[in-house]
Amino acid sequence: NAGVMQNPRHLVRRRGQEARLRCSPVKGHSHVYWYRQLPEEGLKFMVYLQKENIIDESGMPKERFSAEFPKEGPSILRIQQVVRGDSAAYFCASSPTGDNEKLFFGSGTQLSVL
Amino acid sequence: SQKIEQNSEALNIQEGKTATLTCNYTNYSPAYLQWYRQDPGRGPVFLLLIRENEKEKRKERLKVTFDTTLKQSLFHITASQPADSATYLCALSNSGYALNFGKGTSLLVTP
Repeated sequence: NAGVMQNPRHLVRRRGQEARLRCSPVKGHSHVYWYRQLPEEGLKFMVYLQKENIIDESGMPKERFSAEFPKEGPSILRIQQVVRGDSAAYFCASSPTGDNEKLFFGSGTQLSVL
Repeated sequence: SQKIEQNSEALNIQEGKTATLTCNYTNYSPAYLQWYRQDPGRGPVFLLLIRENEKEKRKERLKVTFDTTLKQSLFHITASQPADSATYLCALSNSGYALNFGKGTSLLVTP
């Protein structure tokens, strides 16, 4: 009965490097959401994916950020050419339906950009 | 613009008392509103969901009210315990897939 698994828990990158954050949803959940939390800020929606499809990426920065949820394997949030402002906690959530009721969150990945 | 406002100041109460947290929103017409709990270094955990046609909802020591006229939800924890100390988040959406969260209210319950 594993919940949402995110890895790594902590990720340190230097400016200009790439960051790849992984999320395995609750078993049987085919809906995945990514959120970002900055210090002293609320959780901000980034993207919503179903298996193999991006449904809503309205909260995703237009450049450098991408997300995928392949047929097999975890969902990936990819940040290219990281900058210091990307430092934040990134949370993944899953649900059995796509109506964003009762989301199950992972413990997050803390990204630090040096 | 859309706003979700929660008490920014931490709420300190004594064990056994009732904690009341407030969530006010503007420019939303939510079909439902949710409350989550977040502990330091962890992801939010779902607590309760209340729909627009429900005035009140209870779960064990938790009670939520939802007033769509005032555009406000109140979250109560009765007989509070030190283990209830955490940040509590209010969340809602108009439509679509983005669930929007308030910044949260930090609750500290002292013995």
